[in-house]
Amino acid sequence: DAKTTQPNSMESNEEEPVHLPCNHSTISGTDYIHWYRQLPSQGPEYVIHGLTSNVNNRMASLAIAEDRKSSTLILHRATLRDAAVYYCILTSPNTGNQFYFGTGTSLTVIP
Amino acid sequence: GAGVSQSPSNKVTEKGKDVELRCDPISGHTALYWYRQSLGQGLEFLIYFQGNSAPDKSGLPSDRFSAERTGGSVSTLTIQRTQQEDSAVYLCASSIGGELYGYTFGSGTRLTVV
Repeated sequence: DAKTTQPNSMESNEEEPVHLPCNHSTISGTDYIHWYRQLPSQGPEYVIHGLTSNVNNRMASLAIAEDRKSSTLILHRATLRDAAVYYCILTSPNTGNQFYFGTGTSLTVIP
Repeated sequence: GAGVSQSPSNKVTEKGKDVELRCDPISGHTALYWYRQSLGQGLEFLIYFQGNSAPDKSGLPSDRFSAERTGGSVSTLTIQRTQQEDSAVYLCASSIGGELYGYTFGSGTRLTVV
């Protein structure tokens, strides 16, 4: 399984943008980049995913490097409800599209 | 239902007893996954069902763990002769299938083996 590397923790002030980085230097051409987040005492929640182009949805934006070896999840205005563990995951049809979760980035939002 | 439903939400069992955990996926989702999450840890893949194909059991930690999915819908994860190290939150997720689609997770079953 292709591995991802994320910082263990990050902090952000409320109402400021947050950029959560992820390195995936061994990504293959067919791997999709997914982001999930897990709020305390809840199951993970889908945030966004992409392949090559940058993606936007109501929750966040995903910026993918041109060589696809890294990506950044962007929360445009952090709120207290965004405090969670954020997981960057690669999926491949070669592995049944299983999601291999690392330890993620724990985001703290400061009021 | 609108989401993935898991039951029970909490289970306390004595060491050595068998337990069954249930997952009701979203209707029409052909893919179903079981993960477990120990306290303060990331998610550990256990097993994957896709349609009528043979399940991928590569993540099951021992032969005490088994799972089935009846009629392509409801799934049951069974742990026999539970041990204290089995204590964790067991999460089920379903998906339409394929890398284009994400997972929808249930809220999990918190298993405590005493």
